[in-house]
Amino acid sequence: AQSVTQPDARVTVSEGASLQLRCKYSYSGTPYLFWYVQYPRQGLQLLLKYYSGDPVVQGVNGFEAEFSKSNSSFHLRKASVHWSDSAVYFCVLSSTGFASALTFGSGTKVIPCLP
Amino acid sequence: NSKVIQTPRYLVKGQGQKAKMRCIPEKGHPVVFWYQQNKNNEFKFLINFQNQEVLQQIDMTEKRFSAECPSNSPCSLEIQSSEAGDSALYLCASSLSQGQNTLYFGAGTRLSVL
Repeated sequence: AQSVTQPDARVTVSEGASLQLRCKYSYSGTPYLFWYVQYPRQGLQLLLKYYSGDPVVQGVNGFEAEFSKSNSSFHLRKASVHWSDSAVYFCVLSSTGFASALTFGSGTKVIPCLP
Repeated sequence: NSKVIQTPRYLVKGQGQKAKMRCIPEKGHPVVFWYQQNKNNEFKFLINFQNQEVLQQIDMTEKRFSAECPSNSPCSLEIQSSEAGDSALYLCASSLSQGQNTLYFGAGTRLSVL
């Protein structure tokens, strides 16, 4: 069985401050990991993905994530948050094979606020 | 911005009514998925197609839900007899292949069953 845990349901961060969203996964095989973002009244948009290789992957809009096999984690980071980053962020795990095997985290809502 | 087009954006139905939603996948993507996202952000895989053929579907889909992806027409997901528990955001996604795990999602159809 596989699972994804996003321990923070909401994160409030000052504009311009750094952001880290936590993601822990459980899977016995080699995971494919994704971060998706869902803006209000929109579908999911891919931020970045990790299949293998360099554990730090760069994504769109200044986001990056670091894969750690020893910690079973795939945390998302951004150096400087903007108000437009207000959204729900989902960490997603896929086993090899069909994409119907995607496992979604419960999401973390990011709320930027004035510094 | 997503190139997967879903219509309508909002759908309101009474219990027992049919609810139908459509999806145009990204050009060149032969694999289409339907997911249900509830208000607690729980995602449930419903069905997926490669071209016009069903690859996998869950039991719920086999009973009240029907879906198709005809050639040269939008894909569709229809609930034959809507129930209150079907109220959710229905997301269509497309992909280049079954084994290509990157999905590209549409904006969704939000179904409210009164």
